[in-house]
Amino acid sequence: SAVISQKPSRDICQRGTSLTIQCQVDSQVTMMFWYRQQPGQSLTLIATANQGSEATYESGFVIDKFPISRPNLTFSTLTVSNMSPEDSSIYLCSVDTSSGAYNEQFFGPGTRLTVL
Amino acid sequence: QKEVEQNSGPLSVPEGAIASLNCTYSDRGSQSFFWYRQYSGKSPELIMFIYSNGDKEDGRFTAQLNKASQYVSLLIRDSQPSDSATYLCAVDKIKAAGNKLTFGGGTRVLVKP
Repeated sequence: SAVISQKPSRDICQRGTSLTIQCQVDSQVTMMFWYRQQPGQSLTLIATANQGSEATYESGFVIDKFPISRPNLTFSTLTVSNMSPEDSSIYLCSVDTSSGAYNEQFFGPGTRLTVL
Repeated sequence: QKEVEQNSGPLSVPEGAIASLNCTYSDRGSQSFFWYRQYSGKSPELIMFIYSNGDKEDGRFTAQLNKASQYVSLLIRDSQPSDSATYLCAVDKIKAAGNKLTFGGGTRVLVKP
């Protein structure tokens, strides 16, 4: 596994503003992922962030709303833009640390976002 | 039909009993299967993964996979109050086919002393 940290751990934001969430890993990883977990729900993949290439977004998520950066193999950011109360969720980054044929994803502690 | 389905629970089990959690998936191309435990207010923690048909045991946990029936289960033996959490089933393909963990809705487990 890997040690994953996220900043901030929680925030309360006003409608129409943007928040950038940071994800830091203690080792180099190829694949990093961003998920959203809405209240009482399971996890939904937002996008996959590979170093050196543009993020790949899942259906229903767009780059203008959730821009992602991946400047190196240990760090990524997710920005939630032009926020509305519907964006209130827990945002989680995860990394795949396996070197074999199968993925094994480990999650950071999450960022709890409340939009007023 | 949801891609990964779980009974939402709560599954109430007495301390010391076996908790049995079930998960079905719709994509026959799924090759890897994971169980995550999520305590309230915390992030998911990987507790088991299984790739081959049959059983895989790790301590008090046993994962069971039946690809023909598209069914994966998790048994928790000697359940403890500390096992009270939501258990998330997730499926994925092999790396060469791309990374995309798909999660079920989770089963909430309550272990009563």
